[in-house]
Amino acid sequence: EPEVTQTPSHQVTQMGQEVILRCVPISNHLYFYWYRQILGQKVEFLVSFYNNEISEKSEIFDDQFSVERPDGSNFTLKIRSTKLEDSAMYFCASSSSSYNEQFFGPGTRLTVL
Amino acid sequence: GENVEQHPSTLSVQEGDSAVIKCTYSDSASNYFPWYKQELGKRPQLIIDIRSNVGEKKDQRIAVTLNKTAKHFSLHITETQPEDSAVYFCAIRRRDTGNQFYFGTGTSLTVIP
Repeated sequence: EPEVTQTPSHQVTQMGQEVILRCVPISNHLYFYWYRQILGQKVEFLVSFYNNEISEKSEIFDDQFSVERPDGSNFTLKIRSTKLEDSAMYFCASSSSSYNEQFFGPGTRLTVL
Repeated sequence: GENVEQHPSTLSVQEGDSAVIKCTYSDSASNYFPWYKQELGKRPQLIIDIRSNVGEKKDQRIAVTLNKTAKHFSLHITETQPEDSAVYFCAIRRRDTGNQFYFGTGTSLTVIP
């Protein structure tokens, strides 16, 4: 069964540094999402992406964040200047349509020191 | 964003007993209600979902009921097994905000052998 994959599984960075989290959605899916989960808390929506543009974003997704689909398979989340409070698990998800279930990747644990 | 309340936050049951987790939401525009299971350190995985035109859905030991009037939906697990131990998240999707999910705060279920 196809799965969403994410790399790296764990990223440690210094405050102020840029990080890029990578995702490979399921190949025939058209809708892509990023969520984050601070340790012990609920999953929070960051952004959705369709047809090479952002379709929705939450208030968490400020100017420090950006997403990109650089080629036909990858979907990336960039944090320009990381803050301590960006430490969380970041999940990528994809779906075949806006009405179908979203499949989650295994997550990237980001630790900002 | 949409407020989704989930109760209880923790639940312990004896193996073989039933477990019920409830979520309430405020916006009647919500139209899709998935339940995700998240084992420690792993990705959220969809276990069952229901759409707003259906009142109940069952898949083996798992069922979901939806009360649109009262704006709540519940996950029912019967004949619980130790491998059911995990954190369970409900989520909603609102018709008017597109694809993003609003997640509940999670229920940590422990099934005692």
